[in-house]
Formats: sequence, C-alpha cells, structure tokens
Amino acid sequence: GAGVSQSPSNKVTEKGKDVELRCDPISGHTALYWYRQSLGQGLEFLIYFQGNSAPDKSGLPSDRFSAERTGGSVSTLTIQRTQQEDSAVYLCASSLGGFRHSGNTIYFGEGSWLTVV
Amino acid sequence: AQTVTQSQPEMSVQEAETVTLSCTYDTSESDYYLFWYKQPPSRQMILVIRQEAYKQQNATENRFSVNFQKAAKSFSLKISDSQLGDAAMYFCAYRSGAGNMLTFGGGTRLMVKP
Repeated sequence: GAGVSQSPSNKVTEKGKDVELRCDPISGHTALYWYRQSLGQGLEFLIYFQGNSAPDKSGLPSDRFSAERTGGSVSTLTIQRTQQEDSAVYLCASSLGGFRHSGNTIYFGEGSWLTVV
Repeated sequence: AQTVTQSQPEMSVQEAETVTLSCTYDTSESDYYLFWYKQPPSRQMILVIRQEAYKQQNATENRFSVNFQKAAKSFSLKISDSQLGDAAMYFCAYRSGAGNMLTFGGGTRLMVKP
C-alpha cells in the first residue's frame, strides 16, 4: 500500500480481555517494528521483524505481549489479559531493510489508540 | 545503551520566525544515523530530516535544517519561517549503524503563535 496501515484506529477494552492490533506495512518493506507511546511520553520499542529472521523481542514488557508476522507482510500485536497500564498508542512502522540497511528511513502508521477500562 | 535527550518539553515561536529545538545523545559508536520526526495530532510520525554521522555537512530540507555537532553529541533542529502547520510534537531519534531500531527522545511540543 501507499503507507503503513494500522487497525483499529481506536480500541476500548475491558481490563482482562485480550486485544489484537493489526499492521499492514508498506509493500516491499521487509523490516517491521512495533512501538508503544504512553500518554505524554516518548516512544518505547517493543518488537522488530526482519524478513524470515527470528524477531527481536527485547522490548516486549511482559509475556502478555506477543506479535506475529505472517508471510513476511501483515503483523498482529496481541495483548492478553489487558491491564490499565497497557493504555497507550501502539505505533507500527516499516522500512526497506534492517541490519544492512540501517540508514533506510522508517515510516510510521497512524497508530492504534488502546484504552483499557 | 544509547540515550537521546530533549531538554525542552515545550517551545513556542511566532509565525514566520525561527526556532531551534535541542537534542543531545549518548553513544560510543562512530557509525549511526540521527533523525527528527514530527508528530501532529493525527499521531502519524513524519520524517522531517535525517543526518548520517559520517557526513560533516549539516542536512537541510527546505525550511528545516540541523546543526550536527558530532564531538558534542548534539543534533539540533532549526525551523525557519515557522508556519502554523509546524505545530506538533517533535522527536529526535538515533539509530545505530549496526542496529535495528530507533531510540527516541522524550519529545518537544512546538506551538506556533499567529
């Protein structure tokens, strides 16, 4: 697609429920990132996918968080048993390449705003 | 680990004037990239300008330019002829030459007064 597409744009869920957030990267981009932006704070790295390599999960805050990337394209971030502190904007981004193309620009989607009540 | 610091939580500028946003970073690497991103209320992070650490020349993009001081680990953004549409959060970001991710500063909220 023309840009990084994320859905849903906004999600309100009850504490304890599971949520799935979807990201469709720019066509041809092999690298995909998830970031979290809490209210009034900067961006926190969550997870990184590059092609068929094992993902870099070093930023996931707990085992309630997981992500998949199917077919090297669309990614789903899943948060199980949501807590109020999970409320944030979840931003997805993509770029042409990873390690050997670290100068490539990373393009962001508009984010999914998650509110846990 | 690399850190990025933006010491100005908020800045204000009069329309048509010039404003400079500060950013400092800490790294032991010599190969890296620096970026300024703009985040309007729509939430989408938009790349404003990028700088390769190996380049001595400061990057410019129309009304946006940077002052890259490698020895001082400083990377400030200058916005000339400020416009109302420049009002947004601005994030400075660092990416290692061997790394996969961006490390962001805490952001500076820029307000533009008509």
